[in-house]
Amino acid sequence: DAKTTQPNSMESNEEEPVHLPCNHSTISGTDYIHWYRQLPSQGPEYVIHGLTSNVNNRMASLAIAEDRKSSTLILHRATLRDAAVYYCILSYNQGGKLIFGQGTELSVKP
Amino acid sequence: DARVTQTPRHKVTEMGQEVTMRCQPILGHNTVFWYRQTMMQGLELLAYFRNRAPLDDSGMPKDRFSAEMPDATLATLKIQPSEPRDSAVYFCASVGLPTYEQYFGPGTRLTVT
Repeated sequence: DAKTTQPNSMESNEEEPVHLPCNHSTISGTDYIHWYRQLPSQGPEYVIHGLTSNVNNRMASLAIAEDRKSSTLILHRATLRDAAVYYCILSYNQGGKLIFGQGTELSVKP
Repeated sequence: DARVTQTPRHKVTEMGQEVTMRCQPILGHNTVFWYRQTMMQGLELLAYFRNRAPLDDSGMPKDRFSAEMPDATLATLKIQPSEPRDSAVYFCASVGLPTYEQYFGPGTRLTVT
């Protein structure tokens, strides 16, 4: 399974944009990039996923580098509720197994 | 609002006892995953099923853990005998087309003393 590298922690101010980076230099051509987050005392929840093109949904945007060796999850306006651990995961197919790393713990300051 | 449900939510048991955790996937979802989360190891995939058939259980200690899907609405994870190192939060997740999102349950917090 291809590996991802994320910063252990990041801080943000409320109502400001947040850019969460992920490096995946060994990504293969068929790997999808998934982002999940885990709020305190809850199970992980899906945020977004993509293959090659940038993606937007109601929660976030996913910017994928042209060479696909890195990606960035963008929260456009952080709220206190966005404080969570964010996981960047590669999976060779959609709906397949996910191998979670340590993720980035995001704290949001009021 | 469809959700994955897990029972029990909390379980405290003594070493050597059998533990059974249950998961009800979202109706219509055909793929079910079992994960375990500890502070030391993070989230680990234990096993997963598609259309009730086991696809991969390589993450599961075979000597004491077993996972089954007796029907499409129920997945079970059993530990026999339980040990203190099994203490963790166990999550179930399900996926169904046309989306590719894994929907996670609230977890079962297991404490083995």
